[in-house]
Amino acid sequence: NAGVTQTPKFQVLKTGQSMTLQCAQDMNHEYMSWYRQDPGMGLRLIHYSVGAGITDQGEVPNGYNVSRSTTEDFPLRLLSAAPSQTSVYFCASSPGGVSSGANVLTFGAGSRLTVL
Amino acid sequence: QQPVQSPQAVILREGEDAVINCSSSKALYSVHWYRQKHGEAPVFLMILLKGGEQKGHEKISASFNEKKQQSSLYLTASQLSYSGTYFCGTTFGNEKLTFGTGTRLTIIP
Repeated sequence: NAGVTQTPKFQVLKTGQSMTLQCAQDMNHEYMSWYRQDPGMGLRLIHYSVGAGITDQGEVPNGYNVSRSTTEDFPLRLLSAAPSQTSVYFCASSPGGVSSGANVLTFGAGSRLTVL
Repeated sequence: QQPVQSPQAVILREGEDAVINCSSSKALYSVHWYRQKHGEAPVFLMILLKGGEQKGHEKISASFNEKKQQSSLYLTASQLSYSGTYFCGTTFGNEKLTFGTGTRLTIIP
């Protein structure tokens, strides 16, 4: 039981390049989300999904795309990387929606992205 | 809309108590507390729902004051292992869990 797996752990991109951060969970969780963490800014929600085929925007969605074709996977795509997207990215999942108060987020180990 | 945490940072000696506050300008539905150690992923501590309940977890407990739209995390007789950054997350009846900017807690021997 691996939990939430993020790849890659580290990535360096040049401005304008595109890439996909992978997130997979093996816990059959319905809810998945992506956060970015920057110094002094806390964790900011980028996108989230309450189930396969359903995604929605968080606080800072611009420049990112997501899709949820399966329950297990929730990739985050950077369309045209910018230096402002340099950050640590965390994927998280929970059995159900976070509003119920009964569901706990399990975080992946994080992916550190640098955009030059 | 991010909740506001205070203080931003605190340094304690082992055995001292700490209180971390989390407040919102909007009516809260639930408050989630997580702790993150340096270089690691955040880890769940507890969830509180509106209704003013208090929860405990060994020497860490929390309260939720619906009227004040505020939650407080209490760390009693702090241990070295309590060091880290504490985040509160809030929901407003939807599925967006929004975190504050964090409170860095340093425990010294």
